Amino acid sequence: DVKVTQSSRYLVKRTGEKVFLECVQDMDHENMFWYRQDPGLGLRLIYFSYDVKMKEKGDIPEGYSVSREKKERFSLILESASTNQTSMYLCASSSGRKYSNQPQHFGDGTRLSIL
Amino acid sequence: GDSVTQMEGPVTLSEEAFLTINCTYTATGYPSLFWYVQYPGEGLQLLLKATKADDKGSNKGFEATYRKETTSFHLEKGSVQVSDSAVYFCALTTGNQFYFGTGTSLTVIP
Repeated sequence: DVKVTQSSRYLVKRTGEKVFLECVQDMDHENMFWYRQDPGLGLRLIYFSYDVKMKEKGDIPEGYSVSREKKERFSLILESASTNQTSMYLCASSSGRKYSNQPQHFGDGTRLSIL
Repeated sequence: GDSVTQMEGPVTLSEEAFLTINCTYTATGYPSLFWYVQYPGEGLQLLLKATKADDKGSNKGFEATYRKETTSFHLEKGSVQVSDSAVYFCALTTGNQFYFGTGTSLTVIP
């Protein structure tokens, strides 16, 4: 089975802090994704990566950056956390090249609270 | 652009009732279709998939058939259990990006 592991289930940070969310997958997947999930808004794509050191903006990249130095690891960075970034963050991975119709596999999520 | 529309919830059913959650899609090209399930406090789990017209995906008693003529992928289960209480997401991809519905919350009462 595909395993996508997010480093923290719950995280509490303060406004202005730099926050790192880590995600690791163990299936040698090429593609990795970061979403945030908010009530009534569903899943919104923040960034995705289809190869090491490659990244593309999703629908809501403002206030976020990402890093993919190794194939198995995809990090989401909140440069200066704000209260409107309080949310559930979901990492996902999928196989195949950039234009792949393979399913995405998700981690358990990180519930981030910014105080 | 591509999109998925699923029925709004919440849905409340008694145990052993029949479940249908409607999903329709708009897509250019030939999408693959998916249903995901999210249990409280967890991430999304792939429930089933279909990659071409008339395919039927099935898993854990759930089924969905890819209907190109009606652009639909409705989720069904003949007899729901309390343990099926969760949020269900319909999704599609044509390879460029994934598109998720907004989710349908299901509560099954004993």
